[in-house]
Formats: sequence, structure tokens, C-alpha cells
Amino acid sequence: DADVTQTPRNRITKTGKRIMLECSQTKGHDRMYWYRQDPGLGLRLIYYSFDVKDINKGEISDGYSVSRQAQAKFSLSLESAIPNQTALYFCATEKGQGHTDTQYFGPGTRLTVL
Amino acid sequence: GDSVTQMEGPVTLSEEAFLTINCTYTATGYPSLFWYVQYPGEGLQLLLKATKADDKGSNKGFEATYRKETTSFHLEKGSVQVSDSAVYFCALSKGRDDKIIFGKGTRLHILP
Repeated sequence: DADVTQTPRNRITKTGKRIMLECSQTKGHDRMYWYRQDPGLGLRLIYYSFDVKDINKGEISDGYSVSRQAQAKFSLSLESAIPNQTALYFCATEKGQGHTDTQYFGPGTRLTVL
Repeated sequence: GDSVTQMEGPVTLSEEAFLTINCTYTATGYPSLFWYVQYPGEGLQLLLKATKADDKGSNKGFEATYRKETTSFHLEKGSVQVSDSAVYFCALSKGRDDKIIFGKGTRLHILP
């Protein structure tokens, strides 16, 4: 079984709808991240959480919110989706031991906003 | 601020060719350096890493050496295969409370 899972894998929605993307991990890691990937722009950090009580904005948090329901779960919400939020979204986890840490990524959610 | 710059793609090579993907970084202190790979339809996964100057990371025939004097961490492979077609991301990390910083990625196409 995959250590980091994301649901749904694909979603098509309409402008103005509320969308939630979910991430679960079985690695026991404290740190979790949400990234967005767009062609030619690489990965951009949306939000991150270093533990259950910690939430931090990344470089492109506008239009997004998150919830860290438990150590294993980190959800990303789009309150009112817009077409330029069409992208590939990745969740990642990290143990939190220091600068040698590896990040472990989920398989991604492809979101299309019409 | 800290940053990672890698060569723009796409890079197209024939099977068994030699591969170099350039990566340079700007950072204060002593970061760890990483290469991640993203195969089609998948998330990123760690390919190799180096945690201090002159360290060489290696995996699956790929190598990269942490060069502090040139602030570089170029990815190399002596003989690429079609299965190496993917997007490659260079990245750095500095410490406990710092986030990892990714380059924009380089798409590699290997032709049979």
C-alpha cells in the first residue's frame, strides 16, 4: 500500500464550487505539505504544517485553506474555485529531523476548474 | 534569498547517450542538495542526495557531486535508457525549520 495517498486523483468542477482535496499518510511523519505544479513553473508551496497544531502559509496561499485533522491527515480546500486553479496538486510528508530529510510525495490530484 | 536554478528543458537524447542536467544553487550556510524524479503520472520521489561538500550521491546509475566552490550539483548518467524519461528536480534544504526549495524541473525525453 502507498505511504502517502491523495483523494480524489482527478476532479473536474465548475467555477465557484467548493472543493476539498485530501491527503493521508502512514509514514508517521509530523510534517506535511501541499504543492501545486503548473507547466514551466515547477512546484509551488501552498501551505505546510510542522505538526498537528501548526499551519503555515506558503508562497501561493491566496484562494486556498487547509486543515490538519490529525498527524496522518492534511486537507486542502478551495473555497470558491476559479479556472486559474486548474493544476496538478501534490501532498508531501517529511519526518522533520533536519536538512537531510527526504520528502515523500503522494501520486497527485489533477484538478480542472471550468 | 535561497534559490535553485536548473537547465531548462526539454532535453532529448538517444538511448545510451551521456546525460548531464545542470543545477546551481544560492544559499547561505551549508544546505543539503537533492535530485528528485517525477515519472509520468506519478509524484516526485527522491533519486539521490548529498549532505556536505564533495559528497557524491548516486542511485540507479545517476550521480551528482556537491561542489561548494562552484555552488553546483549537476546530475549525470553515463548511458540513459528510455525508462529514464521523466522530469528531474534539483532541490536544497538548509535546516530544521526551513522548507525545501525546488528548481523548476527539467523534462528529459529518451528516444529508442
